[in-house]
Amino acid sequence: ETGVTQTPRHLVMGMTNKKSLKCEQHLGHNAMYWYKQSAKKPLELMFVYSLEERVENNSVPSRFSPECPNSSHLFLHLHTLQPEDSALYLCASSPDGGLGNSPLHFGNGTRLTVT
Amino acid sequence: AQKVTQAQTEISVVEKEDVTLDCVYETRDTTYYLFWYKQPPSGELVFLIRRNSFDEQNEISGRYSWNFQKSTSSFNFTITASQVVDSAVYFCALSAVDSNYQLIWGAGTKLIIKP
Repeated sequence: ETGVTQTPRHLVMGMTNKKSLKCEQHLGHNAMYWYKQSAKKPLELMFVYSLEERVENNSVPSRFSPECPNSSHLFLHLHTLQPEDSALYLCASSPDGGLGNSPLHFGNGTRLTVT
Repeated sequence: AQKVTQAQTEISVVEKEDVTLDCVYETRDTTYYLFWYKQPPSGELVFLIRRNSFDEQNEISGRYSWNFQKSTSSFNFTITASQVVDSAVYFCALSAVDSNYQLIWGAGTKLIIKP
């Protein structure tokens, strides 16, 4: 496999459920990102990890919990979500060990629906 | 403050027509980077181009061309002889020192190419 892979592609969960989104990159990059894409809004950066250390957290509610066990894997743990959290969640990676200027490589995203 | 404006929410053209997507940016930094990404229906954002603020040369890549004009703070994207496969949402983005090089995204322009 090459590139950035996200699973699952689609997820429907109730507000009391706990689920996790998974992202894996096969590009040898040092930084990984979680973005949220809602309809009619610009992409929102949620978390950035560089060399497995979190370097950016854009005031995301605690019901979203990231985990980066190594430079190739990134998780987003979800619990007690709200309907307004329904969105496309995109994972990305970049060669830079932080917020550099290299292009981002994105996965296909997970379409999350909270009922 | 930094901002990216893509005033065209949606554009629809017939195949083989030329189409230009507008991008206007705001930043007080003298060093910055501009990007274009394409998001086809499959969901993943695909990097198209990166430009730094010191290089105002226009770029051409096949049917794609980019016009960077610092005087008007614009970085417009033209597709020549459009094809149905060009249908996607296109995003312009900015990164600069002032935002710690975090990408500032435009809202995107949905491009529909009709056969």
